[in-house]
Amino acid sequence: ETGVTQTPRHLVMGMTNKKSLKCEQHLGHNAMYWYKQSAKKPLELMFVYNFKEQTENNSVPSRFSPECPNSSHLFLHLHTLQPEDSALYLCASSQVRVTDYGYTFGSGTRLTVV
Amino acid sequence: SQQGEEDPQALSIQEGENATMNCSYKTSINNLQWYRQNSGRGLVHLILIRSNEREKHSGRLRVTLDTSKKSSSLLITASRAADTASYFCATEETSGSRLTFGEGTQLTVNP
Repeated sequence: ETGVTQTPRHLVMGMTNKKSLKCEQHLGHNAMYWYKQSAKKPLELMFVYNFKEQTENNSVPSRFSPECPNSSHLFLHLHTLQPEDSALYLCASSQVRVTDYGYTFGSGTRLTVV
Repeated sequence: SQQGEEDPQALSIQEGENATMNCSYKTSINNLQWYRQNSGRGLVHLILIRSNEREKHSGRLRVTLDTSKKSSSLLITASRAADTASYFCATEETSGSRLTFGEGTQLTVNP
């Protein structure tokens, strides 16, 4: 375990479903991130939260809705997704001012949209 | 937009050999980081080198940074089968705190 826990590990959902991904860290970090990893593509930054405030939305479609209730928890709410949204969704955390330890990633949620 | 580009895309070596991966980037950076990912898992941070550093070591890892050429290399010495993974470079740009990843190098170490 890295200290960043993502649930569920696997998720299969229909295009009309609503689901949520959860990320939790107790490392004392104050920045949290959502990344999308699709096959044969670089990791894509989706959202950035610093001290619970969203500081970046990287042109992500509104069918993805993030929520950060506190510095330790991050959610990604999913609604009416498309098959091309199938990917590995990775959560990461760090200090706002980066340290030599970089980002700590969770193991990811493998999402399949059918 | 993609910032880091790794080279080669895939590398296959024998156990005990050294593995060298290169990364090029486009903009000014605060630091460059290398990560490792085993198949379908999360990324693990390996090493961070700041823009005012030229070389850094951590165990069997050696990282160099040439800001004039906007490039970095990761050397893994005396490789082991357990080093088989994808390796990514990531840059933190001076314009913001976001970390931007390259496409990665798939390293296979044959026993």
